[in-house]
Amino acid sequence: KAGVTQTPRYLIKTRGQQVTLSCSPISGHRSVSWYQQTPGQGLQFLFEYFSETQRNKGNFPGRFSGRQFSNSRSEMNVSTLELGDSALYLCASSSGTANTIYFGEGSWLTVV
Amino acid sequence: GIQVEQSPPDLILQEGANSTLRCNFSDSVNNLQWFHQNPWGQLINLFYIPSGTKQNGRLSATTVATERYSLLYISSSQTTDSGVYFCAVEPNGNDMRFGAGTRLTVKP
Repeated sequence: KAGVTQTPRYLIKTRGQQVTLSCSPISGHRSVSWYQQTPGQGLQFLFEYFSETQRNKGNFPGRFSGRQFSNSRSEMNVSTLELGDSALYLCASSSGTANTIYFGEGSWLTVV
Repeated sequence: GIQVEQSPPDLILQEGANSTLRCNFSDSVNNLQWFHQNPWGQLINLFYIPSGTKQNGRLSATTVATERYSLLYISSSQTTDSGVYFCAVEPNGNDMRFGAGTRLTVKP
């Protein structure tokens, strides 16, 4: 059974640009959540989608958005990139609430 | 919001030694998981343990939900155990709150 797949793994963007990250969950999992990891702030929850609906949202500005498709694949978008958006972005999937969540390998974003 | 505190923040061991990592949380939770973050950044599931005790090889974990803490035990540590260990709790929904982690270094 394939794990959580994130693309791209590494990317470099310039301030002001936007970026889209993709996440394919484990087959059968309908919940996809996104996290940002930085040395200063640690691991922080961005948002969670279940059956194409955003169920939870963390404390991030509106520049961070996401969506989920009918096949449960999810994308997150960051617009007007800032240097502080440089981070490891992790996607996780689970079959539902209060179940084990599984993480992908992450997408390393560098903003220059 | 819920607070998650892990201790110690750093731990250095000699190969073969045992260790205990602690996670305290400030409110009741639906879910608690322990993860090991590998050098490439991926979070590897160790245990899903909202309550009770589980064992997997040299690793075991115990969560006492009524007292709001969880412990991760590593026995006979190996150099490959090095890395950062995270405790994460889910107060509601799939909104996992992570502790700051324990950085473990196992020396040969």
